[in-house]
Amino acid sequence: QKEVEQNSGPLSVPEGAIASLNCTYSDRGSQSFFWYRQYSGKSPELIMFIYSNGDKEDGRFTAQLNKASQYVSLLIRDSQPSDSATYLCAVRYGGSQGNLIFGKGTKLSVKP
Amino acid sequence: DGGITQSPKYLFRKEGQNVTLSCEQNLNHDAMYWYRQDPGQGLRLIYYSQIVNDFQKGDIAEGYSVSREKKESFPLTVTSAQKNPTAFYLCASSTRGRATNTEAFFGQGTRLTVV
Repeated sequence: QKEVEQNSGPLSVPEGAIASLNCTYSDRGSQSFFWYRQYSGKSPELIMFIYSNGDKEDGRFTAQLNKASQYVSLLIRDSQPSDSATYLCAVRYGGSQGNLIFGKGTKLSVKP
Repeated sequence: DGGITQSPKYLFRKEGQNVTLSCEQNLNHDAMYWYRQDPGQGLRLIYYSQIVNDFQKGDIAEGYSVSREKKESFPLTVTSAQKNPTAFYLCASSTRGRATNTEAFFGQGTRLTVV
């Protein structure tokens, strides 16, 4: 059974702080990893993807991948109240035509 | 504008009734997916289709059916055999190529409630 695990939270951080969201996955053969943001009642929207070990930065967001340890993380710098949402980690198994397996998501709350 | 359109946004179903959720995309994507999301839960895969006239069961296909007669369309029918259909249903599509970063794009979702 291929699994993607996330801490459900809620994770609460003050405005301007760094929020750190973590995700672990079970299949060493996984090749690509995605972070989605989902506001309450809305559909998920893609924030970042990563498929090479190391860090990938895009604005205030940094995705980190460690395949040896089978975890992927998302850092949000200078957190804003508008970042308050549920963050879903997704892992693509089985190559480029494999399906996405989603974690249950971590709820982030950024306090003004 | 390119995107994925789901309709209706809200749907109410009576006990024993079949209902069909619409999903249309104009992104020229080959692959389309249906997910179900329950409160506090992640997305669970119902059905997926990698190409026209072909589709595969996901993790929770029982009580659901799909068709893929056109590349742009992937409707989902929730049958009376689905005993707990109240949920948020999400349709997604993606490219189907060699690149590993083939992310999925989502429609706005349909919230189905049994009355």
